[in-house]
Amino acid sequence: EAGVTQFPSHSVIEKGQTVTLRCDPISGHDNLYWYRRVMGKEIKFLLHFVKESKQDESGMPNNRFLAERTGGTYSTLKVQPAELEDSGVYFCASSRRAGDTDTQYFGPGTRLTVL
Amino acid sequence: GQSLEQPSEVTAVEGAIVQINCTYQTSGFYGLSWYQQHDGGAPTFLSYNGLDGLEETGRFSSFLSRSDSYGYLLLQELQMKDSASYFCAVSRLSGNTGKLIFGQGTTLQVKP
Repeated sequence: EAGVTQFPSHSVIEKGQTVTLRCDPISGHDNLYWYRRVMGKEIKFLLHFVKESKQDESGMPNNRFLAERTGGTYSTLKVQPAELEDSGVYFCASSRRAGDTDTQYFGPGTRLTVL
Repeated sequence: GQSLEQPSEVTAVEGAIVQINCTYQTSGFYGLSWYQQHDGGAPTFLSYNGLDGLEETGRFSSFLSRSDSYGYLLLQELQMKDSASYFCAVSRLSGNTGKLIFGQGTTLQVKP
């Protein structure tokens, strides 16, 4: 079974530009999560999809971030326009169902650097 | 607010046993998970405690005390490959979302 994949692995952009990150969850997993780790800090939740619906987007920093999951398969996270403080590693995770013992499987992350 | 505390660094020698503690203050607590991360790569699931007590998975064990808001990860027979960052994470089941709230991570260095 293929794991969670993310693209690109690294992205370097200038302040004000737009970047789109992609996540392909494990096949059959309805739940997809985005997390972010800013240097030196903890991994923080951004949002949660159940299939194509946003279940919880309480962690999204501001309206420069837009996440979509059309068709309930892969997801994209767009940052527009990017700011310096958006630099960090963006992780995607998926699970079969939300709640209790359902394990979240993480992708390798996209390292975003905003100059 | 919500917070998890764990030591920032731990050093141990090969073959030894090490315990990484995690205390938490969260509302709507559902369970405590542990993840391992090598060199900034994908966090890998190690263990989960939904109930009080000890869960054992090979060389790794995890413990939870809900009354003390405390848990730990125990690594036995340490190997060099266990050098990594270890994160505790709380599951908050609220409104059917299973989002994880992470601690800042403990860097474990295993020495020969």
